[in-house]
Amino acid sequence: QAVLTQPSSLSASPGASASLTCTLRSGINVGTYRIYWYQQKPGSPPHYLLRYNSDSDKQQGSGVPSRFSGSKDASANAGILLISGLQSEDEADYYCMIWHSSAWVFGGGTKLTVL
Amino acid sequence: QVQLVESGGGVVQPGRSLRLSCAASGFTFSNYAMHWVRQAPGKGLEWVALKSYDGSSEYYGDSVKGRFTISRDNSKSTLYLQMNSLRPEDTAVYYCARDPSPFGEFPFGWGQGTLVTVSS
Repeated sequence: QAVLTQPSSLSASPGASASLTCTLRSGINVGTYRIYWYQQKPGSPPHYLLRYNSDSDKQQGSGVPSRFSGSKDASANAGILLISGLQSEDEADYYCMIWHSSAWVFGGGTKLTVL
Repeated sequence: QVQLVESGGGVVQPGRSLRLSCAASGFTFSNYAMHWVRQAPGKGLEWVALKSYDGSSEYYGDSVKGRFTISRDNSKSTLYLQMNSLRPEDTAVYYCARDPSPFGEFPFGWGQGTLVTVSS
């Protein structure tokens, strides 16, 4: 079982909100990890969005709009990237990442379609 | 502005070696840890390796451990990735990325990448 699992795709309408999940493998407690989120558009390198651990330990990437935010769902053992007020330019692949067992581990990515 | 320029990619036969370079500019290279991250065609991101700011510590992903070596020359502001015993599954775009801390926290600013194709 992968360390981080993301749904492969998600669709949402312009102006709506999208909640992208990053589920940690059983036995790995989301409460003890900083979760990093990246956005990647076709033909471009990834772009750092934000880091979330708790409301007192979070960081927004430089220039990243506040409509991108992070949270955790302890009951689901998952990190969440919430994008509000969706715009067509938000259509991209989104990756979560954690530091685990002396390595950085990425989730498989979620392709967000805005239509 | 911060710039990372990867080079050294190309087509190589399985079992052969290749060395990638990443030339950094626009920031004090010697103050920051540096990463290599790769992405196979049409696939997701895979972290490869990290070197601390002074070269004193390094980490590798399981799939490259024992075959790849990360190094840096702070006098030249350049990061390297020596790749030995290459396999077809190593085919990917290889990105170098700056870390915001000296010992490694997360990949933060990325180059445009260089494509490595392992094929006979």
